[in-house]
Formats: sequence, structure tokens, C-alpha cells
Amino acid sequence: QKEVEQDPGPLSVPEGAIVSLNCTYSNSAFQYFMWYRQYSRKGPELLMYTYSSGNKEDGRFTAQVDKSSKYISLFIRDSQPSDSATYLCAIQGAQKLVFGQGTRLTINP
Amino acid sequence: KAGVTQTPRYLIKTRGQQVTLSCSPISGHRSVSWYQQTPGQGLQFLFEYFSETQRNKGNFPGRFSGRQFSNSRSEMNVSTLELGDSALYLCASSLGDRVDQPQHFGDGTRLSIL
Repeated sequence: QKEVEQDPGPLSVPEGAIVSLNCTYSNSAFQYFMWYRQYSRKGPELLMYTYSSGNKEDGRFTAQVDKSSKYISLFIRDSQPSDSATYLCAIQGAQKLVFGQGTRLTINP
Repeated sequence: KAGVTQTPRYLIKTRGQQVTLSCSPISGHRSVSWYQQTPGQGLQFLFEYFSETQRNKGNFPGRFSGRQFSNSRSEMNVSTLELGDSALYLCASSLGDRVDQPQHFGDGTRLSIL
């Protein structure tokens, strides 16, 4: 079993839709949770970073962590074509990041 | 503030050769981590350096090695290249003093093995 599981998609939604991206993890010792966005031919860009259960909001993006269920989510409101990218969840272990497989998201105009 | 810089952006090598990739971290960052990204395996951790010392290592063969210089710049070397080494190699930097400091990535070096 992988330490972090993420549905690779692909996921295709119309512009303006609410997008929900999810990951599960197995190690309850993990404390820090991140979402990265990666455009084609670019490196991952840090979107959201949180370390506690609950919600964290930044503009159209909301990160949600449920440590009791070992489940993390990223919600994108009012999705735009420019949000089309691969979204990677990442969890901080001891001095290294463990990544999910990444979900390829396409927002259709 | 300049981001993480990786050179070269693209490399083509043949089996059996060796290659060296370079990474310049964000100014002030002392931790540099390397990752391999492939379509099948996703992003996998190679190793992490902090203040010129390897602090953590992933599950890769000894053909993969690295080092860090006193200015925090890092290099990664792969010897005796195999077809399966074709991948995007990503470098990430962080302050490194505490485990909760997030990592910031460069745009990677795409290595193709013929």
C-alpha cells in the first residue's frame, strides 16, 4: 500500500464548477500537508500548506484536513481554464515529502 | 527573490554514460532535496542535503549520488545510465531548520536516455 493515495483522474469539468481533489494517507505520524500545482513542463508550485485538522482558505482555494480519517482535500471554487494543471498532494515525513500520484485537471471554457 | 534554478533544462544521454545535474536554491535556503518524476511512479524522493551533509536518503541505487557545496548549491550525479533513468529530475529547497518549512521546486531537468 502506498503511503499516500491520490486518484490520478483525469478530471474534466466546465468553467465555473467547484472542483474537489482528494488524497488519503496511511501514516498517522504525518503532520504537515501540502498541495502543489504543476503545469506542463514546469516544476510543482506550492499552493496550500497546513498542519492542523480543519479548513484553510486562500482566495478560491480551500484545503481541508481530517486527521482522524487520514484524508485531505483541495477545493477550487469558480474554476478557471487557467486552473488546468496536475494537482499533487504532499505530506511531510521526516525530512522528505511523500507525494500522491497527482490528479490531472482540465477546466473547459 | 529568485526561485530555485536547475541546469540544464534538457539532457540527452546514452546508456552507460554518466550525468551531473545542478541546482541553485533560493537565497538563504540551506536544505536541498532531489526528486525523480516519472509517469509511472510519480514523484519519488532521492536524497536531501543540509549544510553540506546528506541528511536523508530515498530508496534508489548507489548509482545516484549527490553533494552540496558551502554556498548551498547542489549537484546530483547518475552513473552508468540506464533506459529507466529517463525522467524529470526536480530539485527543491527550504530553509531546512525545521521539518515544517515548506519546499519550493525548480522547473527540473528532463533527462532522456537513448
